[in-house]
Amino acid sequence: KNEVEQSPQNLTAQEGEFITINCSYSVGISALHWLQQHPGGGIVSLFMLSSGKKKHGRLIATINIQEKHSSLHITASHPRDSAVYICAVRSKGGADGLTFGKGTHLIIQP
Amino acid sequence: GAGVSQSPSNKVTEKGKDVELRCDPISGHTALYWYRQSLGQGLEFLIYFQGNSAPDKSGLPSDRFSAERTGGSVSTLTIQRTQQEDSAVYLCASSSRQGGGSPLHFGNGTRLTVT
Repeated sequence: KNEVEQSPQNLTAQEGEFITINCSYSVGISALHWLQQHPGGGIVSLFMLSSGKKKHGRLIATINIQEKHSSLHITASHPRDSAVYICAVRSKGGADGLTFGKGTHLIIQP
Repeated sequence: GAGVSQSPSNKVTEKGKDVELRCDPISGHTALYWYRQSLGQGLEFLIYFQGNSAPDKSGLPSDRFSAERTGGSVSTLTIQRTQQEDSAVYLCASSSRQGGGSPLHFGNGTRLTVT
């Protein structure tokens, strides 16, 4: 069973700061997802990646397969980025469901 | 519709009653997932459907839980003899192929409260 750890659990930062959220996992994966959950519960898929780096607007996701680690970066953070960010992985050769991290609760203060 | 639709959005039921939760995935999406999120907890995988293959039921917490997907589209998650610990938000997601290969699209969830 893949163990997914996220850090930090909670993060409060000022508007404009560069944000990094980390995710590590224990077993080889076929894909990793970064999800965003806003207050009220709606979940949005931000990235799905299996290697390298992806960028969308102010969001950047990277993954290092050898180190079993991924990071989500937010540049020029804004209060509307306040949400829970969740890392989820699909293990290689395992059951088809995703294994989720517990999430990082991010608050960006104006 | 443009997104994954779940109904009802809220359900309050008495302990011991059966409930059915419905998910309408995005048209054409072959992969459908059910998850749940208990208060203050992370997301928990329940069951996965992919096309006409046998579903992966490895996440179902007990035999009171079952799910069907009719015609490769709409799915129903049934919880029999509900217990208070079943209270959670039940989320459905779909993707155009196996989730490892394409983004997931989530519904807004059904908030289930068992009294």
